[in-house]
Amino acid sequence: GAVVSQHPSRVICKSGTSVKIECRSLDFQATTMFWYRQFPKQSLMLMATSNEGSKATYEQGVEKDKFLINHASLTLSTLTVTSAHPEDSSFYICSARRGGPGREQFFGPGTRLTVL
Amino acid sequence: QQQVKQSPQSLIVQKGGISIINCAYENTAFDYFPWYQQFPGKGPALLIAIRPDVSEKKEGRFTISFNKSAKQFSLHIMDSQPGDSATYFCAASTRGSQGNLIFGKGTKLSVKP
Repeated sequence: GAVVSQHPSRVICKSGTSVKIECRSLDFQATTMFWYRQFPKQSLMLMATSNEGSKATYEQGVEKDKFLINHASLTLSTLTVTSAHPEDSSFYICSARRGGPGREQFFGPGTRLTVL
Repeated sequence: QQQVKQSPQSLIVQKGGISIINCAYENTAFDYFPWYQQFPGKGPALLIAIRPDVSEKKEGRFTISFNKSAKQFSLHIMDSQPGDSATYFCAASTRGSQGNLIFGKGTKLSVKP
């Protein structure tokens, strides 16, 4: 199967600081990457869809200025949580799609963000 | 509608038994149906997927059954093992638009030794 990595796996930060999470597809090129948020015992909530070289498409209710997404290459997307607050504490998971719509989507291991 | 309904919410099975998780959908444009397995603190892992041109797909102990007319699909885990204890998510997507995955709410499976 395809491998997607995320870094860091866990981050603790103070309220008001910004945190960057990297998502990499290690063995395939991903035109499209996705960012999800998952609360305990809940399903994955899509935050945004990121296409290489273009602006991300955000889901309704997700603040674009707070969750900055950059997809600068076919193997790397980053999510920056700006001015993080305790309510932003969550499990953030990226995924990368191998091919166009309807093709396999592979997930990273997730990043646990804790904002103090 | 974009919703995918998954049941049951939780499932307890004895070792060696069959685990069955069901999903139903409304959008007839869905044409890709994957199942993901997620362990605590980890990202979901693609387990098996099916497209609507076949009614069943088997990979090892895992089988997807697909009923297009009923708009339902299910995951069967044969000879369930304690190591299968995890949360399972069904999902669906289309080839159109962004082709985003629409996830079910998940089923927490516990396999008792």
